[in-house]
Amino acid sequence: AQSVTQLGSHVSVSEGALVLLRCNYSSSVPPYLFWYVQYPNQGLQLLLKYTSAATLVKGINGFEAEFKKSETSFHLTKPSAHMSDAAEYFCAVVKTSYDKVIFGPGTSLSVIP
Amino acid sequence: DAGVTQSPTHLIKTRGQQVTLRCSPKSGHDTVSWYQQALGQGPQFIFQYYEEEERQRGNFPDRFSGHQFPNYSSELNVNALLLGDSALYLCASSIFNTGELFFGEGSRLTVL
Repeated sequence: AQSVTQLGSHVSVSEGALVLLRCNYSSSVPPYLFWYVQYPNQGLQLLLKYTSAATLVKGINGFEAEFKKSETSFHLTKPSAHMSDAAEYFCAVVKTSYDKVIFGPGTSLSVIP
Repeated sequence: DAGVTQSPTHLIKTRGQQVTLRCSPKSGHDTVSWYQQALGQGPQFIFQYYEEEERQRGNFPDRFSGHQFPNYSSELNVNALLLGDSALYLCASSIFNTGELFFGEGSRLTVL
């Protein structure tokens, strides 16, 4: 069965600092991978997705993620944090394009002025 | 272009009651998935509907049922509500076989 782990349920960074949110997945085959963001009292919004093309994926709001098959990882980064980045971030995996999407437990990002 | 819309946004029920939540998918989407998100947790997959049939189901009891209509909209029904059913219920639509989900803002259910 597919599963996703996100190391660190809460991450705090200073404004302007590097953001690094970790995601590891378990899969017997290269999956489709996603990062979603959820602002308070809202639904989830897609940040970026990996679908077996380029291993470095660029998303919205300056975020990017790198797929590393050898490490079964798909960590999310942003060079410089903004106050508006404070939110809950979810990594998600799906084995094939028609399978169910499985979400990780989430990482809450706080940005300190 | 309207995105995914859900109703109601908030509702309060008591134990043992039944609830129906509704979802209209994004224009052009034919697949609807439902997720339950408890406070402080990631979304948990309930089931997926395509061509008016339940295609996949997560680890949820039969108290959770759904329906998809010919216009692709969907309903989630929960019977015999328990306190533990209190959560944010998210509807996500997609184009079948693409894997990319578009979410509504959810229906927050409180069971007293």
